[in-house]
Amino acid sequence: DAKTTQPTSMDCAEGRAANLPCNHSTISGNEYVYWYRQIHSQGPQYIIHGLKNNETNEMASLIITEDRKSSTLILPHATLRDTAVYYCIVRVDRDSSYKLIFGSGTRLLVRP
Amino acid sequence: GAVVSQHPSWVICKSGTSVKIECRSLDFQATTMFWYRQFPKQSLMLMATSNEGSKATYEQGVEKDKFLINHASLTLSTLTVTSAHPEDSSFYICSATRRDRGYEQYFGPGTRLTVT
Repeated sequence: DAKTTQPTSMDCAEGRAANLPCNHSTISGNEYVYWYRQIHSQGPQYIIHGLKNNETNEMASLIITEDRKSSTLILPHATLRDTAVYYCIVRVDRDSSYKLIFGSGTRLLVRP
Repeated sequence: GAVVSQHPSWVICKSGTSVKIECRSLDFQATTMFWYRQFPKQSLMLMATSNEGSKATYEQGVEKDKFLINHASLTLSTLTVTSAHPEDSSFYICSATRRDRGYEQYFGPGTRLTVT
C-alpha cells in the first residue's frame, strides 16, 4: 500500500496561508489523495480529496503535482482554530469499498 | 453534515474482562463502517472494515478473536475487546460512509479505553 511522508510539525501566523506538503511517491494511478485533520482527542474531520486535478472547497485547496508523487494542502487564511494534526492519506480501493491509509501527520500550530 | 456517535466516550476496565464499544450513525444509513485504533501521539491505524450483515474484514495483524465486530444494522456497529490487557489501552475511533457521499468517511468522537 502506498505510504505518505509529511513534516512532523509546522507553524504559521494567523491570517496567513498555511501550506502543508505531502510526499506519496509510490501512489498508484487510481489512488486518491485525501486530507483529514484531527483536533486533540477528537475524531478526524474531512477536508478535501483529489485524484489528478487541483481541488478547492470552502475549507482548503489541494494542489497535486503532475506526476502525482506529492501534493500540498493550502489553508488560505489560517485561524487559531486551524491548529490541529493534518493527515495526508492515500485511499486504496478494494472490492466494493476502500480503506484510508493514514500518514504520520503534520502538527500545525497557528500563532496569534 | 452526517453525525457519528460512539459510546462510551471513555471506559476503564480490569485486565481479563471484555469491553463493548458502540458506533452509531445518527442521521444516515451507513453503507460501511470502519474501526481504527490510535495510540498516544501516533496516527490512526485501520483495524477492520464492516458492512451490514457481513463479516468484518480485518487488517493484517489484527486478531479477529480478540476484537469482535458486529454490524447488525445500517446504523450500528459494535467492537468488543475480549480479555482486555493493558496493551489494549488506546483510543478507538469508528467511521462510516453513506451511500450518496461514499468518498467521505465520517468519524466518531472516539472511545478512550484504559485497561488496568
